[in-house]
Amino acid sequence: GESVGLHLPTLSVQEGDNSIINCAYSNSASDYFIWYKQESGKGPQFIIDIRSNMDKRQGQRVTVLLNKTVKHLSLQIAATQPGDSAVYFCAENTGTASKLTFGTGTRLQVTL
Amino acid sequence: DAGVIQSPRHEVTEMGQEVTLRCKPISGHNSLFWYRQTMMRGLELLIYFNNNVPIDDSGMPEDRFSAKMPNASFSTLKIQPSEPRDSAVYFCATSRGQDYGYTFGSGTRLTVV
Repeated sequence: GESVGLHLPTLSVQEGDNSIINCAYSNSASDYFIWYKQESGKGPQFIIDIRSNMDKRQGQRVTVLLNKTVKHLSLQIAATQPGDSAVYFCAENTGTASKLTFGTGTRLQVTL
Repeated sequence: DAGVIQSPRHEVTEMGQEVTLRCKPISGHNSLFWYRQTMMRGLELLIYFNNNVPIDDSGMPEDRFSAKMPNASFSTLKIQPSEPRDSAVYFCATSRGQDYGYTFGSGTRLTVV
């Protein structure tokens, strides 16, 4: 029979355009958030993090925005490149030990 | 820094056999996590250790799964006996502690036939 897997939301972006990947988190007590990138056949790779006392943090070509009022996190990638094609996960830490809770992920497809 | 080292990278085994997955954490990282990733369920936390002590094993699916961390530089995840539904990619991740991100290994792709 047909296998049924997680339906990952997919964002398709043209090379050179900006990408915005969104994540809703559930725990208002979460105080630390991370974005991970997972390329095919590899483990998730840390991209950028943000703590709850901030609402914006910038890295190289990436920006993370945190809206605690609506429990929303976003990752912006500037000038998206083919190498950015991957699945992106957000993760939250509620402050309980080191345990992170991961979202289901968003697939980013970069078209030429 | 060699990062988190997992072995083997790929494992194919017959149903009923014992499987042992290995992880060497980054030196100085005192938290270690075992995850399983499948198409059906995404990333699932199986168990994690702080300072070599198991803290939360509520994600371990059955008694067939066990994990150990005998010292700060080595951990194993064992499945005995293995079943086809255990087929997945198993990741080990380590962290310096609370409020730090994880560093993931490259994973072990397990296929049970």
